[in-house]
Amino acid sequence: KQEVTQIPAALSVPEGENLVLNCSFTDSAIYNLQWFRQDPGKGLTSLLLIQSSQREQTSGRLNASLDKSSGRSTLYIAASQPGDSATYLCASQGGKLIFGQGTELSVKP
Amino acid sequence: GAVVSQHPSWVICKSGTSVKIECRSLDFQATTMFWYRQFPKQSLMLMATSNEGSKATYEQGVEKDKFLINHASLTLSTLTVTSAHPEDSSFYICSAPQTASYEQYFGPGTRLTVT
Repeated sequence: KQEVTQIPAALSVPEGENLVLNCSFTDSAIYNLQWFRQDPGKGLTSLLLIQSSQREQTSGRLNASLDKSSGRSTLYIAASQPGDSATYLCASQGGKLIFGQGTELSVKP
Repeated sequence: GAVVSQHPSWVICKSGTSVKIECRSLDFQATTMFWYRQFPKQSLMLMATSNEGSKATYEQGVEKDKFLINHASLTLSTLTVTSAHPEDSSFYICSAPQTASYEQYFGPGTRLTVT
């Protein structure tokens, strides 16, 4: 049974810092790994999807990496801004999409 | 990217009544859709997989007679919470994958409050 874990559970940083969110998964037999953003009371916004054959994906200030052999993915956010404050969820896609518990990020001005 | 809509965005109902939530894929066809629920400060929990033209597949511990799922067309799945109780109050979210990439697209969610 796939288990997805995210560390840290919460993170508070000053504006402008670069930061890394971590995601680990127990079963490496996945199709892809997806990172999402969720604002309070809202649905999910897809940020990046890394196919199982890929190592990383980039979109603007975001970079996500995937290491299937070690069961890890990281989301790197460069030059953080207050608007980045949200909960970030990673999810592994096998037959089903299994979510981690999320990292609640707060970027202080 | 692909768009998935949900209706209603929020609903308040009395205990014992039934509530129907719709999930639509607006610009692509989805033979499969997924229903999740999310409690405050918690992650998404998969409830069931909705299959067009066949019965839904429910996750362990989810009552199929309470959460009725109908996937009547390639763009619409509905979740009906029957005889709702206050403990059913939650945020319900649906998703649909694009077949080629398996990338999941999520609806905006439905906030259900049972009084």
